[in-house]
Amino acid sequence: NAGVTQTPKFQVLKTGQSMTLQCAQDMNHEYMSWYRQDPGMGLRLIHYSVGAGITDQGEVPNGYNVSRSTTEDFPLRLLSAAPSQTSVYFCASTAMTRGTEAFFGQGTRLTVV
Amino acid sequence: GEDVEQSLFLSVREGDSSVINCTYTDSSSTYLYWYKQEPGAGLQLLTYIFSNMDMKQDQRLTVLLNKKDKHLSLRIADTQTGDSAIYFCAQGGTALIFGKGTTLSVSS
Repeated sequence: NAGVTQTPKFQVLKTGQSMTLQCAQDMNHEYMSWYRQDPGMGLRLIHYSVGAGITDQGEVPNGYNVSRSTTEDFPLRLLSAAPSQTSVYFCASTAMTRGTEAFFGQGTRLTVV
Repeated sequence: GEDVEQSLFLSVREGDSSVINCTYTDSSSTYLYWYKQEPGAGLQLLTYIFSNMDMKQDQRLTVLLNKKDKHLSLRIADTQTGDSAIYFCAQGGTALIFGKGTTLSVSS
């Protein structure tokens, strides 16, 4: 079982560029979410999805788009990268029927210059 | 909005007990969680407690929940250098609200 797989692990972008962070899970979990982690800030929820075709905003959604066309995949798109989006991004998935453990990917370290 | 507060740093000697404290605001949270993050890694669930419990013990870990005061604590007995990491308290169901994390430093 791969669990939650994020790609890429590292990325450097120039201001204004766009890119997509990939997240895939093979546990058939309904719920998936994206967090960003900044020093001294903990993890903040960007967007989440409770199932294919359903997404919603979290605490810090501005500058990011998501879609959920399949249960397995939940990509995060940066539309026009800004230095303030330099962060470590984590994708997580949870089985809603259990409502317990969120499984996290290993993270994507993004630097915007 | 909902909030989770934790102290930022804790330093202990190897073999001592560590106690990491957390306060939360959402009294409707069904579960409360403790996650561990080692350097350069993702988050790993350490333990969780159901909201109708007062205590949960799992080997060296003891979680205490005071619902009246909305206070959660994690005690690590016989702390080892491998326990050095950032520990996050989290509340919520599928949408988790995390604290800022407590960095535990264990010296030998």
